[in-house]
Amino acid sequence: NAGVMQNPRHLVRRRGQEARLRCSPMKGHSHVYWYRQLPEEGLKFMVYLQKENIIDESGMPKERFSAEFPKEGPSILRIQQVVRGDSAAYFCASSQLRFEAFFGQGTRLTVV
Amino acid sequence: DQQVKQNSPSLSVQEGRISILNCDYTNSMFDYFLWYKKYPAEGPTFLISISSIKDKNEDGRFTVFLNKSAKHLSLHIVPSQPGDSAVYFCAPASGGTSYGKLTFGQGTILTVHP
Repeated sequence: NAGVMQNPRHLVRRRGQEARLRCSPMKGHSHVYWYRQLPEEGLKFMVYLQKENIIDESGMPKERFSAEFPKEGPSILRIQQVVRGDSAAYFCASSQLRFEAFFGQGTRLTVV
Repeated sequence: DQQVKQNSPSLSVQEGRISILNCDYTNSMFDYFLWYKKYPAEGPTFLISISSIKDKNEDGRFTVFLNKSAKHLSLHIVPSQPGDSAVYFCAPASGGTSYGKLTFGQGTILTVHP
């Protein structure tokens, strides 16, 4: 009974490159959420997805960031043309309808 | 605009005693309140929750109290154990159909001394 799986755990990118973060929800969960934790800050909601649908992207930066949760496969958070300020821990969570969300271990992105 | 405030950045408690972690919120739309525990380099772990229609929920050593009129909730851990040492986040949701869109507080670092 695997939990929420995120990979990679650590990702290093040079400025201007693309970062792709993957999240496989818990079995039976159809709701996926992405959060970002900047250094010395709390977790901030980014986006809420269901299969093939973005439900709420009110926390997503307007540019360079996108997310998807395809019919098959993991959810992907994509950051284009990364900058130093994107360095953070990115957490994915999943839930069933009207139940608590469970978090993955996170991906620590470092932009050099 | 901080909708959720955990005013104590840290708390130090002796093993066996009670730990009380506090959280204040401003958004009246919050109707479900969750507490998560987080260890360094790991994701948050769900601990306990409470619906806005209740004022208390208990699960083993953990009890959460909600005072809606004061927009205040607290987490009580008794007895505290060294393994409880972690960062604790208060995370309300304005539910609708999903309790995964959370507004996290800044967290309180709990240290339980043997």
